[in-house]
Amino acid sequence: DAGITQSPRHKVTETGTPVTLRCHQTENHRYMYWYRQDPGHGLRLIHYSYGVKDTDKGEVSDGYSVSRSKTEDFLLTLESATSSQTSVYFCAIMPGDTDTQYFGPGTRLTVL
Amino acid sequence: QQQVKQSPQSLIVQKGGISIINCAYENTAFDYFPWYQQFPGKGPALLIAIRPDVSEKKEGRFTISFNKSAKQFSLHIMDSQPGDSATYFCAATYGNKLVFGAGTILRVKS
Repeated sequence: DAGITQSPRHKVTETGTPVTLRCHQTENHRYMYWYRQDPGHGLRLIHYSYGVKDTDKGEVSDGYSVSRSKTEDFLLTLESATSSQTSVYFCAIMPGDTDTQYFGPGTRLTVL
Repeated sequence: QQQVKQSPQSLIVQKGGISIINCAYENTAFDYFPWYQQFPGKGPALLIAIRPDVSEKKEGRFTISFNKSAKQFSLHIMDSQPGDSATYFCAATYGNKLVFGAGTILRVKS
């Protein structure tokens, strides 16, 4: 998985609770991404980062925030989880000398 | 329009047959077109990619055909094997962002 770890790998939570997902990379790549995967939609970009403290919104950013205080870590936070945020979340990195993104193993989140 | 349309949604092919998945796009600013393969419980993995100045790229049993004027590209899997059973996504890059198709679930029957 291109030196990418995601934690937790599985999480079940209640509606209204805050949730933070962590993506960790070992290669110090500048670009990091968060996607969600839902049947019939492929993968959709939530937020991405192009450096420490530099982030921008993607296609489906409502209800999500991100933070990147260190090059190696990119955090995705659901401030108040809703059932519509039940999904599989993938982190990706993009090495600086390529257009290719490499994906982590994913986090399956269930919001009851 | 930042969309990539992928078809079919699912595909069943006999072992040894050819699997064909098609994608179409509108945004001519897209400049890189990767295909990803995903097995259950795993993250997507890059399979093969092409740039719009090339009409075809082949890697082993996998071939991308690219038609720039029609804004279409396709993945061909020759001699399909049961181990190829997976979900395949086409994608397109603009800037530093990827846009994905909805995916095709491929099943190869032995």
